[in-house]
Amino acid sequence: GENVEQHPSTLSVQEGDSAVIKCTYSDSASNYFPWYKQELGKGPQLIIDIRSNVGEKKDQRIAVTLNKTAKHFSLHITETQPEDSAVYFCAVLTNTGNQFYFGTGTSLTVIP
Amino acid sequence: EAQVTQNPRYLITVTGKKLTVTCSQNMNHEYMSWYRQDPGLGLRQIYYSMNVEVTDKGDVPEGYKVSRKEKRNFPLILESPSPNQTSLYFCASSSGGLAGLSDTQYFGPGTRLTVL
Repeated sequence: GENVEQHPSTLSVQEGDSAVIKCTYSDSASNYFPWYKQELGKGPQLIIDIRSNVGEKKDQRIAVTLNKTAKHFSLHITETQPEDSAVYFCAVLTNTGNQFYFGTGTSLTVIP
Repeated sequence: EAQVTQNPRYLITVTGKKLTVTCSQNMNHEYMSWYRQDPGLGLRQIYYSMNVEVTDKGDVPEGYKVSRKEKRNFPLILESPSPNQTSLYFCASSSGGLAGLSDTQYFGPGTRLTVL
């Protein structure tokens, strides 16, 4: 199956700074790459996603970049705020279109 | 309100005692899935269903069963729970399915299961 690696596992930034989380995957045929935010005691919630025919997507302070050749994609959060503190997961949809593989998560702390 | 609901939210049981965790969605989604979340391992897919009466194994299906008799419900069954099934479980749904998985997954609030 797909192998998804996510780094770093923990990340602390000062409020207003940027945060970057990276994921690599193994199956070059994978074509959908969502990012989820999980707050304490809640289920994961989609924050942004990207498909294989696009290299970058932005939504206000959040952006995702995809490098299909290198098989990695990254989450970028600019102007971080304390409410951005959470666990973030990347995921990959297999080329068969029916199985998701998740990264191991990044615990982001934004220090006021 | 569009949502995925799970019950119970918390469950403590003993080894070997059959249990069912229910999952229901009100979004008419075709695709439903179960995950378990363990520290350091992220979320791992247990089973998924592309539509009614269509289910398939995910990455970690051993010790679990599912059924999809109705579109809105996707219960997770542990016939003989063991301590290594102690985990946080999430149900999810999306509008993908047999027509092609093309939309975001919506997750339930989670069920924390402890097997003694």
